[in-house]
Amino acid sequence: SQQGEEDPQALSIQEGENATMNCSYKTSINNLQWYRQNSGRGLVHLILIRSNEREKHSGRLRVTLDTSKKSSSLLITASRAADTASYFCATAPTGANSKLTFGKGITLSVRP
Amino acid sequence: DVKVTQSSRYLVKRTGEKVFLECVQDMDHENMFWYRQDPGLGLRLIYFSYDVKMKEKGDIPEGYSVSREKKERFSLILESASTNQTSMYLCASSSFSRNTEAFFGQGTRLTVV
Repeated sequence: SQQGEEDPQALSIQEGENATMNCSYKTSINNLQWYRQNSGRGLVHLILIRSNEREKHSGRLRVTLDTSKKSSSLLITASRAADTASYFCATAPTGANSKLTFGKGITLSVRP
Repeated sequence: DVKVTQSSRYLVKRTGEKVFLECVQDMDHENMFWYRQDPGLGLRLIYFSYDVKMKEKGDIPEGYSVSREKKERFSLILESASTNQTSMYLCASSSFSRNTEAFFGQGTRLTVV
């Protein structure tokens, strides 16, 4: 079964606006990661947040993690048309191995 | 520049054929993964390997097997291809010791006719 579930499934915003995407998961995790996929391509890693962290920033990206609610959010500030892509959250479980499971993804469209 | 390379970008096979999808990484990663991606279903894990000759089933292993004889290479095998295995297949690798991000190949779009 898929661990992460992203919300909303699709998001359409105007260039310059902020985009907020959410992810919920079911079991205890070691870390949570966000990835981006441009149409028909492989995934590219954006940011990783460990279970003992609450917030992390990378450029225009801000990710938060609430382990008590088993949820995370990804904020992209000042969006650009080039941010148009699919975004996935992925979770690495606690325990010995690093099996990574993904959600169904969010389709973000940024209108110029 | 780190690399995960999948042997084919596009592949067309006939029903019943045995199909091999190859993936090679040059980062000395312990972990390797095979996912399939279908519209509306996201990425689903087929198999995961954490060391040479070691493997673990993912969420949808039925109809697939894997082989990891060398650390850098992870093969996905469709024993007898069926039309419902038409999909995008993505290989990834990651480091176990640092438990960091996964690196993905460009994907193989497989069509079974």
